[in-house]
Amino acid sequence: TQLLEQSPQFLSIQEGENLTVYCNSSSVFSSLQWYRQEPGEGPVLLVTVVTGGEVKKLKRLTFQFGDARKDSSLHITAAQPGDTGLYLCAGEGGGTYKYIFGTGTRLKVLA
Amino acid sequence: ETGVTQSPTHLIKTRGQQVTLRCSSQSGHNTVSWYQQALGQGPQFIFQYYREEENGRGNFPPRFSGLQFPNYSSELNVNALELDDSALYLCASSTRRSGRTGNEQFFGPGTRLTVL
Repeated sequence: TQLLEQSPQFLSIQEGENLTVYCNSSSVFSSLQWYRQEPGEGPVLLVTVVTGGEVKKLKRLTFQFGDARKDSSLHITAAQPGDTGLYLCAGEGGGTYKYIFGTGTRLKVLA
Repeated sequence: ETGVTQSPTHLIKTRGQQVTLRCSSQSGHNTVSWYQQALGQGPQFIFQYYREEENGRGNFPPRFSGLQFPNYSSELNVNALELDDSALYLCASSTRRSGRTGNEQFFGPGTRLTVL
C-alpha cells in the first residue's frame, strides 16, 4: 500500500516568515502534485513534478521532487495571510493514473 | 468552458439509507475520480471511471459503487449508510493521455454528507 506522510501536520507562523512542508513515502511515484484547499472547497492544483530532482517555482513557492521520486518538498518564502490553507501532496502510482493523497499540512499565516 | 460541478452541496441522511451523489466533469475530460475526505484529513481515493468503466478502486467496500455516463458525468452511490460515511465527497475530472503521466485533475467543490 502506497502511503504519503506530510510534515508538519499544523503550522502557524507570522507574516514574512519562511516555511517548508515535507511529503515522504517509501514508494516511488511517477509524478507528484501539490494542491491547496480552502475550507468548503475542492483542492486546487498548484504544481505537478515528474522528473526526479525537478525543481519548480511558482512566485514565492518552490517545489522539489526527490531524486528517487519518493519524496517532495514545498518551500514558501515570505509567507502571507493569503497562503493560509490546507496543503496536500498527491502521488501518482506508476502507470495507474490514480493519485494517493498525503495527510495534509494545515498552514495559518498570521498578519 | 465550465468547471467540475457536484450536486447536491450538502446532504443529511440517516444510518441505513442510500445516497446518490452527482458530478459533471469538465468539458473534454474522459476520466472521473471520486474521493472521500474526512474532516482534517487528506482525500482518500474511492474509485476512478474511464470511458464508462471502473478503472481501479481504493480500500472501500462494495456498498460504494458508481457509474459514468456517455457524456462522462458520473454518480457515486453509497448503500447502507454508516455514521463513518460522514465526509466531504470530491470528484475530480481529468483527461487521460496514453503513456503520459502527471495528468492534471480538476476538483469539484464537493458534497458534504452527514449521516445521523
